[in-house]
Amino acid sequence: QVQLQESGPGLVKPSETLSLTCTVSGGSISGYYWNWIRQSPGKGLEWIGYIFHSGSTKYNPSLKSRVSISVDTSKNQFSLKLTSVTAADTAVYYCARQWVYTSSSGPLDYWGQGTLVTVSS
Amino acid sequence: QSVLTQPPSVSAAPGQMVTISCSGSISNIGNNYVSWYQQLPGTVPKLVIYDSNKRPSGTPDRFSGSKSGTSATLGITGLQTGDEADYYCGTWDSSLSAGMVFGGGTKLTVL
Repeated sequence: QVQLQESGPGLVKPSETLSLTCTVSGGSISGYYWNWIRQSPGKGLEWIGYIFHSGSTKYNPSLKSRVSISVDTSKNQFSLKLTSVTAADTAVYYCARQWVYTSSSGPLDYWGQGTLVTVSS
Repeated sequence: QSVLTQPPSVSAAPGQMVTISCSGSISNIGNNYVSWYQQLPGTVPKLVIYDSNKRPSGTPDRFSGSKSGTSATLGITGLQTGDEADYYCGTWDSSLSAGMVFGGGTKLTVL
């Protein structure tokens, strides 16, 4: 059974960098897109971006200037960095596995439990 | 404002049927598969429909999905109180602002 687990600080100061790691267990990190998605309190889902095991990435255009996703295949982990955070970045951050389709959008079949990150001084 | 449009809420009585719509455009739903996610209160989103109309193992056959043109629909028959949740549609948008997009979510209330 594939499991994903987010880890990282739950509190980040405004203007600083949010850093989270997702550890994948029970399966290989190869062959899938690995996504970060967030959900502000009481709001809907917002896609942040994904990374393939090869290191290729795709980001939400609205966040692209502040986002970086990296992968460490030796540890079966991938990570998110979001710079210059503000209170608007306060959200539950999820990592999720996505099937790779050549010409369409694959589903997100496994999700982490999510971690609440609060941006506050 | 979400790229995909869903009704904020729907409701129906136990045992009844409900549908949740998801409206988009040619650049997203029109040219891509749609997935549906169920988020029970206080829990993680769970995939219930993928490839517009397929059920993952574990999703009851009371759940169905369809797609026509630039719209998709999630149907749930034989409603149970345990179906009360937020439901989100999601797909890829191939426009200049390419990326994964979601609907704003629909709160299903089982009366």
